[in-house]
Amino acid sequence: DAGVIQSPRHEVTEMGQEVTLRCKPISGHDYLFWYRQTMMRGLELLIYFNNNVPIDDSGMPEDRFSAKMPNASFSTLKIQPSEPRDSAVYFCASRESGTSYEQYFGPGTRLTVT
Amino acid sequence: AQSVTQLDSHVSVSEGTPVLLRCNYSSSYSPSLFWYVQHPNKGLQLLLKYTSAATLVKGINGFEAEFKKSETSFHLTKPSAHMSDAAEYFCVVRKAGTALIFGKGTTLSVSS
Repeated sequence: DAGVIQSPRHEVTEMGQEVTLRCKPISGHDYLFWYRQTMMRGLELLIYFNNNVPIDDSGMPEDRFSAKMPNASFSTLKIQPSEPRDSAVYFCASRESGTSYEQYFGPGTRLTVT
Repeated sequence: AQSVTQLDSHVSVSEGTPVLLRCNYSSSYSPSLFWYVQHPNKGLQLLLKYTSAATLVKGINGFEAEFKKSETSFHLTKPSAHMSDAAEYFCVVRKAGTALIFGKGTTLSVSS
């Protein structure tokens, strides 16, 4: 089975532009998580969904960030407008309910905002 | 509240020598604990998990970890390091509910 798929793998954009990151979870997984990883703050949970419904978005840094999950096989994380401090690696992860809570991570999107 | 503390930010070993990466946890209930590995410019890969079954957990690539409730520890070990083990390692505890809390990571360097 294919793992978690993220696109793009790298994104370079200018400050003020809109950025959209995409994630396809593992088929059959009903939880989806978005994380951000930086040197300063480590790995932070931004938001997670269960059965396409946002459950906890307390980690979303501010209103410039939004996430959606229109169906079980697709999610987006949008930053509008982007700022240089948003530069980070963004990971998507998924897991299946009824298991031992382990999450499976995608390869990440490296975002650079200039 | 649940938390993890990785006691070393950087560990250096020689190829063929044992590896010990230390992790202490705090949990108000029987914890679910994990170790993940991240190779440079890659995603995180699950190494092993503890979920209240056997206290000695075996994972991939020869790694294992022992859950010690009395010491609130979940240290990761490997008898003999390989060059390909050089990576960042994260100790993780499950928060109440489904979210995971990641430690700050330990960078493992392996020299020949």
